[in-house]
Amino acid sequence: EDQVTQSPEALRLQEGESSSLNCSYTVSGLRGLFWYRQDPGKGPEFLFTLYSAGEEKEKERLKATLTKKESFLHITAPKPEDSATYLCAVQAQGAQKLVFGQGTRLTINP
Amino acid sequence: KAGVTQTPRYLIKTRGQQVTLSCSPISGHRSVSWYQQTPGQGLQFLFEYFSETQRNKGNFPGRFSGRQFSNSRSEMNVSTLELGDSALYLCASSLYLGSHTGELFFGEGSRLTVL
Repeated sequence: EDQVTQSPEALRLQEGESSSLNCSYTVSGLRGLFWYRQDPGKGPEFLFTLYSAGEEKEKERLKATLTKKESFLHITAPKPEDSATYLCAVQAQGAQKLVFGQGTRLTINP
Repeated sequence: KAGVTQTPRYLIKTRGQQVTLSCSPISGHRSVSWYQQTPGQGLQFLFEYFSETQRNKGNFPGRFSGRQFSNSRSEMNVSTLELGDSALYLCASSLYLGSHTGELFFGEGSRLTVL
């Protein structure tokens, strides 16, 4: 069964303090790994898709990387507006559904 | 471009009742997926519809059902509600079946409370 585990569950940082979120996965043939951001009371918002080990994607202060077993979401010099829950999901080859992790709740203090 | 619209946003039901939730996808999107989000289980896939046909289904009991209309709008129904059905129900639309890019566009959800 495809599984996604995210760590830590929650993370508090000071503004400007860089860090990384982890997403470990087991899947029977990876079609894609996806990162989403979810603000309170809102639906998830798509950030990145990664397809193969070694791939990297960047968007503003966020950079996502992928290995054969895990993905990292690196946050550089975060700002309070980066506070949200970050969700990781995988899609297996031949599958249509996304399997999501539990998310990491990130809080950036000013 | 209007986003995914879900109605109602909030509702309260009692055990044994049934509920119907509605989702209007982004114009031009033909695939609609439904997910249940709870604090304990996270986001779990319910089903996906494409061209009015259910193409994929998650591990939920038959009390959970859905349908898609010719204009791509979708509804999901939960019958004989249980306390454990309390959750945020999220609808997501995409251009293609299975969203091979993983880019799903989510609505803000319908928060169901079962008393």
